[in-house]
Amino acid sequence: SQKIEQNSEALNIQEGKTATLTCNYTNYSPAYLQWYRQDPGRGPVFLLLIRENEKEKRKERLKVTFDTTLKQSLFHITASQPADSATYLCALGSVDSSYKLIFGSGTRLLVRP
Amino acid sequence: GAVVSQHPSRVICKSGTSVKIECRSLDFQATTMFWYRQFPKQSLMLMATSNEGSKATYEQGVEKDKFLINHASLTLSTLTVTSAHPEDSSFYICSARASGTYNSPLHFGNGTRLTVT
Repeated sequence: SQKIEQNSEALNIQEGKTATLTCNYTNYSPAYLQWYRQDPGRGPVFLLLIRENEKEKRKERLKVTFDTTLKQSLFHITASQPADSATYLCALGSVDSSYKLIFGSGTRLLVRP
Repeated sequence: GAVVSQHPSRVICKSGTSVKIECRSLDFQATTMFWYRQFPKQSLMLMATSNEGSKATYEQGVEKDKFLINHASLTLSTLTVTSAHPEDSSFYICSARASGTYNSPLHFGNGTRLTVT
């Protein structure tokens, strides 16, 4: 069956360190992958898009990698801040699934001051 | 830009009644909107794709007669939970793309917390 797996345990790190979150998928052939941030009681907010033919994308303190051989994406936040504390969701999409995005269950990040 | 507004943010209703949730794209037109449902600490589950001027497309296992979707204009989609029961209590979130490109980001509303007593 198709699965998107993110670590269900919260990631707890010290301010200033790099946070690394993992998204693994099985039985998908995604054309692209997106990362979102979700705060409690709010809708997700888009962060980054990476396409299947791209290995890495960066935006300010954020970096995403995409390894279609390992079927994995890594999401990094460098110089983390307490304000980065939130749940981070990965989502897969493919051309043949039309406009639908399928989400992982998210990983909660806690950045300690 | 690309703001999606969702109302109400919270609603409590009695079992057996119906609840309507509105989703509006404020500064762009959306021919397609998506309705998701989220249980605590779980993933966003796609319920249906709302298409302007035509019938919604429902995901497997979602009852179309229970979750009525209407997309009457390019900026408004509504989800009506009919004859609500306590098991329908959940967080419902709508979203839309500002661009027609298949991989463009989804813009989400802030969700509706539905509690059925």
